[in-house]
Amino acid sequence: AQSVTQLGSHVSVSEGALVLLRCNYSSSVPPYLFWYVQYPNQGLQLLLKYTTGATLVKGINGFEAEFKKSETSFHLTKPSAHMSDAAEYFCAVSDYGQAGTALIFGKGTTLSVSS
Amino acid sequence: GAVVSQHPSWVICKSGTSVKIECRSLDFQATTMFWYRQFPKQSLMLMATSNEGSKATYEQGVEKDKFLINHASLTLSTLTVTSAHPEDSSFYICSAVGNQETQYFGPGTRLLVL
Repeated sequence: AQSVTQLGSHVSVSEGALVLLRCNYSSSVPPYLFWYVQYPNQGLQLLLKYTTGATLVKGINGFEAEFKKSETSFHLTKPSAHMSDAAEYFCAVSDYGQAGTALIFGKGTTLSVSS
Repeated sequence: GAVVSQHPSWVICKSGTSVKIECRSLDFQATTMFWYRQFPKQSLMLMATSNEGSKATYEQGVEKDKFLINHASLTLSTLTVTSAHPEDSSFYICSAVGNQETQYFGPGTRLLVL
């Protein structure tokens, strides 16, 4: 069965600092991996996804993530944090290792950005 | 493009009543939609998979007679919480599978059962 572990339930950074949100996965099939962002009382917005091909994936709002099979990781980074990045971030793997199937989510990481 | 809406966004009801939540894909057709539940400060948990024209597939531990799902068209899936109780209070989020197999999420429905 697939699973996702997000290390650190809460990450705090200063505005302009590097953002690093960690995600490790477990999957018996080649994984499809996703990062979503959730603002308070809202649904989820897709930041980026990895299915096949290039392991460095660029997403919206300056975020990117790198799929590292040897480390079973898919960490999310952004070079310079902005106040508007403060939100809840979820890493997810698709069930059955296929896009378009149900997602298995990590527990989420709350990102706080201070001025 | 690829917008998913949910209605209502907020609902407060009395214990014992039923509540229907709609999930619509506004600009694309979705043969598959998913219903998730999110408790405060927690992650999303899959409740069921809704396939157009067929019965929903429920995850283990989800009562299918309590959470009725109907996917009557390629753009609409409904979740009905029957005989709601306070423990059913939660944030319910749907998603629809669109182009390139990407899931698009609705804005969620917050249910409070008194």
